[in-house]
Amino acid sequence: GAVVSQHPSRVICKSGTSVKIECRSLDFQATTMFWYRQFPKQSLMLMATSNEGSKATYEQGVEKDKFLINHASLTLSTLTVTSAHPEDSSFYICSASAGGMWTGELFFGEGSRLTVL
Amino acid sequence: AQRVTQPEKLLSVFKGAPVELKCNYSYSGSPELFWYVQYSRQRLQLLLRHISRESIKGFTADLNKGETSFHLKKPFAQEEDSAMYYCALSPLTGDKLIFGTGTRLQVFP
Repeated sequence: GAVVSQHPSRVICKSGTSVKIECRSLDFQATTMFWYRQFPKQSLMLMATSNEGSKATYEQGVEKDKFLINHASLTLSTLTVTSAHPEDSSFYICSASAGGMWTGELFFGEGSRLTVL
Repeated sequence: AQRVTQPEKLLSVFKGAPVELKCNYSYSGSPELFWYVQYSRQRLQLLLRHISRESIKGFTADLNKGETSFHLKKPFAQEEDSAMYYCALSPLTGDKLIFGTGTRLQVFP
């Protein structure tokens, strides 16, 4: 099946620094990737939709200057949390759809836990 | 507004008992509905989609447009069904998934 890999799985950083999380589709080309954020015991909140070669589409309430998303190739999307603060601490999960037609099936990465001190 | 509601955070049953995980949605059009599952230490993965009208691992879900519900059912729960279950909605434009808060199913032996 389609595999999505995220790196790093855990990251701890100091307040004010920037952190980059990578999301790769290992065995398929992902024209669209999605970034979710999950708070403890809460739902996955869609942050943005990332399309290869174009600007990401952010959901309402998500600061695009805070959460920079780049989808430079068909197998890689990155999320950069800029000037991170403790409130940005969360579990970030990427996912990707395979193939050109939307089926609703997303393939998820293992997630990245960010802790901002 | 697009919203998916799963009223139960935790559902505990004994092996062999019937299971129903509730999901209600709010959407003005005709969405596609899905159930995703996350087993312990595994990634979130698709369980079933309403459009396929399929039974996966004994689970079924029927879309009830009148009640705006998409409840997940299984007549006889198994221990290996213990997992986190998320109901998800895809709008008519079909370009993203909106997830509910999830229900943890515990099946005791």
